[in-house]
This record gives sequence, structure tokens and C-alpha cells, in this order.
Amino acid sequence: DVKVTQSSRYLVKRTGEKVFLECVQDMDHENMFWYRQDPGLGLRLIYFSYDVKMKEKGDIPEGYSVSREKKERFSLILESASTNQTSMYLCASNHRAGPQHFGDGTRLSIL
Amino acid sequence: AQSVTQLDSQVPVFEEAPVELRCNYSSSVSVYLFWYVQYPNQGLQLLLKYLSGSTLVKGINGFEAEFNKSQTSFHLRKPSVHISDTAEYFCAVSDGAQKLVFGQGTRLTINP
Repeated sequence: DVKVTQSSRYLVKRTGEKVFLECVQDMDHENMFWYRQDPGLGLRLIYFSYDVKMKEKGDIPEGYSVSREKKERFSLILESASTNQTSMYLCASNHRAGPQHFGDGTRLSIL
Repeated sequence: AQSVTQLDSQVPVFEEAPVELRCNYSSSVSVYLFWYVQYPNQGLQLLLKYLSGSTLVKGINGFEAEFNKSQTSFHLRKPSVHISDTAEYFCAVSDGAQKLVFGQGTRLTINP
């Protein structure tokens, strides 16, 4: 079974802090994704990566950056956290155009 | 550009009743279609997918969906629901590239 692991289930940070969310997958998938999930808005794509050191902006990249130094790990960075970034963050991975496999999510609160 | 509309934000049904969750999409190219389920405090889990072939797709937990190209729909159905089906359900579309576009989600509530 594919395993996508997000480093934290719950995280509380303060406005202006630099925040790192980590995601690791164990199936050698080339594609990895970061979404945020908000009530009534579904999942919105922040960034994705199709190879090591490669990244593309999704629909809502503002205020975020990403890093993919190794194939199995994809990090989401909030450079200066703001209260409107309070949300559920979901990481996913897949092989080519196959189904995406999701982690359990990180519920991030910015105070 | 692709888009997905889930026509109902909430669907309450009684246990053992049938249910249909509606999904319409728009796309200018051939599509792949997916239904995902999210149980409370968990990530998304794939229920079923349509890539090609038969338009009736069977998935896990007794769910099925029918791809209707002329109506650009991919509705999810189950003939008899259980309390454990209480969850949020997401329809998603892909044009074969890496990205998925998700609908807003439908919260299914099963009442005893």
C-alpha cells in the first residue's frame, strides 16, 4: 500500500513565523502535490512537483513556496504566516496520471 | 480549463436508503474522472475512477458511478447506505496530465 506521511496532524503557529510542513511518500512516485482544504471550497492546489528540484505553481501559490530536494520528500513553506493561512493542508503523490494518494492532513492554525 | 460542480453541498439520507451524489464537469478534452471519500480527521481515499472503457464503474464499499459524456456527468450511487458511509465525498477531473481539479465536496449524513 502507498503510504504518504505528513509530519504533523496539528500545528499552531504565530503570525509572521516561518512554517514548514513536511510530506514523505514511500512509493517512488515522481509527482507530489500540496493542497489546502477549506469548507465549501473543496481542495485547491498550491504547488506541485513532477521531479526532484522541479516545481510548478498551482491555483493559489501566493504566500507559499516549496522544496523538493529528494524524490520522496516535498516540503511546503509559509514564508511569513498570516491568519488567512489557517487551514487544512493535504499532501498527495502519484505516478504519471494515476490516482493521487493522500496523507492524513495537517490542520494548521495561525494565531 | 476544467471545472467540477458538485450540485449538493449536503445530502441527508436514512440508513439502508439509496443515495446519489451528483457531479458535473466541464472540459474541452477527454477526461479522467475520480470520486474520493474523506472520513473525519483523515485524508482522501480513492473510491473509484473512470479512465476509459465501460461507462459504469464499480468502486469500493459498494459504490458505483456512471460516466455520461453527453450530459458531462459522473454521478455516484449506492443502493443501500450504512452509518459508516457518513463522510465527505469529492468528485475530481483530470485531462491526463498530473493535476486534478476538485469539486467543492458533498457531505453525506446517514441517519438511523
